[in-house]
Amino acid sequence: DADVTQTPRNRITKTGKRIMLECSQTKGHDRMYWYRQDPGLGLRLIYYSFDVKDINKGEISDGYSVSRQAQAKFSLSLESAIPNQTALYFCATSDTGLAGGWNTGELFFGEGSRLTVL
Amino acid sequence: AQSVTQPDIHITVSEGASLELRCNYSYGATPYLFWYVQSPGQGLQLLLKYFSGDTLVQGIKGFEAEFKRSQSSFNLRKPSVHWSDAAEYFCAVGAPNDYKLSFGAGTTVTVRA
Repeated sequence: DADVTQTPRNRITKTGKRIMLECSQTKGHDRMYWYRQDPGLGLRLIYYSFDVKDINKGEISDGYSVSRQAQAKFSLSLESAIPNQTALYFCATSDTGLAGGWNTGELFFGEGSRLTVL
Repeated sequence: AQSVTQPDIHITVSEGASLELRCNYSYGATPYLFWYVQSPGQGLQLLLKYFSGDTLVQGIKGFEAEFKRSQSSFNLRKPSVHWSDAAEYFCAVGAPNDYKLSFGAGTTVTVRA
């Protein structure tokens, strides 16, 4: 089983619908992230969370919200989806490290959730 | 804030030939630098990283990268590519005590027989 699991893997929806993308991890990491990938733009950070009570906006948070239900679960919601939110979405985790700093510095990614908004 | 530029959108290379992917970063101090690879339909996998020390770092799958502070670059190289190296490659930069990464736009590598 994957360490970082995203559901659904693929979703087609219509403009105005509410969509939730879910992420769960078994790595025991504190930090979780949601990124969006668009061709030619790379990955852009939407939201990130360093623990259950710590939620932070990334560079493109407008139109999105998140919920950190537990250390292992981090959900991304689109309250009213629009076509320019069509993208590939990635959840990622990282480890706090022994002294609160970067441990390995590595992000561990899920396999992505492809969202199409018509 | 830190940022990354990958000048090459797409590179085509023959199997067995060498490969170099360019990455330039913008950050006021010594950054943390990473290269990730994304195979079709997959998530991203870390190839290598630089935090400090030796500026030539070795990674998985035969890749290496060299940090050049004077050029603000962290180029990725492989001496002899295999067909399985066809993928999209992302350079990323992080700052100490920031704990999140900024990614470049990516370079797609096509390997021809």
